[in-house]
Order: sequence, then C-alpha cells, then structure tokens
Amino acid sequence: GENVEQHPSTLSVQEGDSAVIKCTYSDSASNYFPWYKQELGKGPQLIIDIRSNVGEKKDQRIAVTLNKTAKHFSLHITETQPEDSAVYFCAALYGGSQGNLIFGKGTKLSVKP
Amino acid sequence: DARVTQTPRHKVTEMGQEVTMRCQPILGHNTVFWYRQTMMQGLELLAYFRNRAPLDDSGMPKDRFSAEMPDATLATLKIQPSEPRDSAVYFCASGSRSGQWNTEAFFGQGTRLTVV
Repeated sequence: GENVEQHPSTLSVQEGDSAVIKCTYSDSASNYFPWYKQELGKGPQLIIDIRSNVGEKKDQRIAVTLNKTAKHFSLHITETQPEDSAVYFCAALYGGSQGNLIFGKGTKLSVKP
Repeated sequence: DARVTQTPRHKVTEMGQEVTMRCQPILGHNTVFWYRQTMMQGLELLAYFRNRAPLDDSGMPKDRFSAEMPDATLATLKIQPSEPRDSAVYFCASGSRSGQWNTEAFFGQGTRLTVV
C-alpha cells in the first residue's frame, strides 16, 4: 500500500554541522513532496516542498533533493542552529487526481550548542 | 493572518462518552484533512474532504468515528463511544487543489484528546 519510509528516527548534531534526513516513497505517480517541522505542542509547519518536475530546491539553509527514478527525496539543513531542534516529517502526495498526503514517521533532530 | 483553527485544544473525557472536534479551515481552501498523531504511529491520515465531499476515510475506524463537513467553514470529527486507545493529538489541515497541483497543507494546533 501507500508508504513513506523516513530515516533516521533520531539525529543529533553539533551546532554548525549539517543534517540530512532521507525518505522513500512507493507510489511512482506521486508528484508533490513537502517537508514539515513540528515543535513541541504545535502543529506541523511546512518548511520546504518540491514537485516532481524539479530535482532540487533550496531556501537559505534548507534544501531538498528528489530522485524520481529511485523514489527517494532528502532534506538537507546546513549550518544547523539550536532552534532547528524539532521533529521533521516528510510526506508524499498519493492518489493521482484525488491526492492525499501520507507522512513518514518523523525524525527528531537535536542540535547541540 | 490566515490559519486553521481547531477547537477544543484539549479534551479529557471518560470512556464511552461522545467527543466532537471542530476545525475551521482557511477561507478559500477546498481540501480538509484529519490526522491522528501518536508516539507509536506518527501522523495517520483518518479522512479527507475535497469541496466538502469525503474522498477517503479508510484510515478511520468506521464503527466509532465519523467525519463531516456541514459547510465550507466547518469540519467535524466525532468519536462515539470514545475509548482510551483513542487518546492522541488530532490535527486538521487544509489546502487547495486545482487540477494536478496542490498548495501546501496548513495544520491547525491540534486537539489533545485524553480518554480515561
């Protein structure tokens, strides 16, 4: 069935280092891949997204890459800061013309000062 | 600024009671999602609507859960009767879809449900 696998489940880095989170999806028809950041007690908030017609997108310290052939996409955070500590979720749009978002299980990122 | 509003933010109820969670999507959005978040399962899609019509509710236990959109400004998720295993944070999200493309899904702050 529809599935999004996300790794790692936890990630600890030193401030200033880079962090990479990877996701794979199963539906080759998926065409939209957002990444969400969730802070404690809040709802997930979109930080970056990518559509299937591009391979990479960057927004300041955050970038996402997409490999449609391999059906995987990754989030890259450079120069990490303590405020980047949160749970990050990847998602993929399934269902063709209907379209519903299926989420990965999340990655808890801890940035140590 | 535009946001998805969920009420109540917190709900504690006794097993067997009916629970109703409400969501006001962002004005103009035609797609509404209901998700349940637990430590074990992460974010699970329960149901979603487009233009107020239910498109998929296969993630929802049909015997006790029901989701409706009585109008474009209100989505509801009901649990009757509630059980302790329903304890979770329930999120509503809204977005727009036009043709092949979607906008981002905006999440509300969630309803934290505790069934004792």
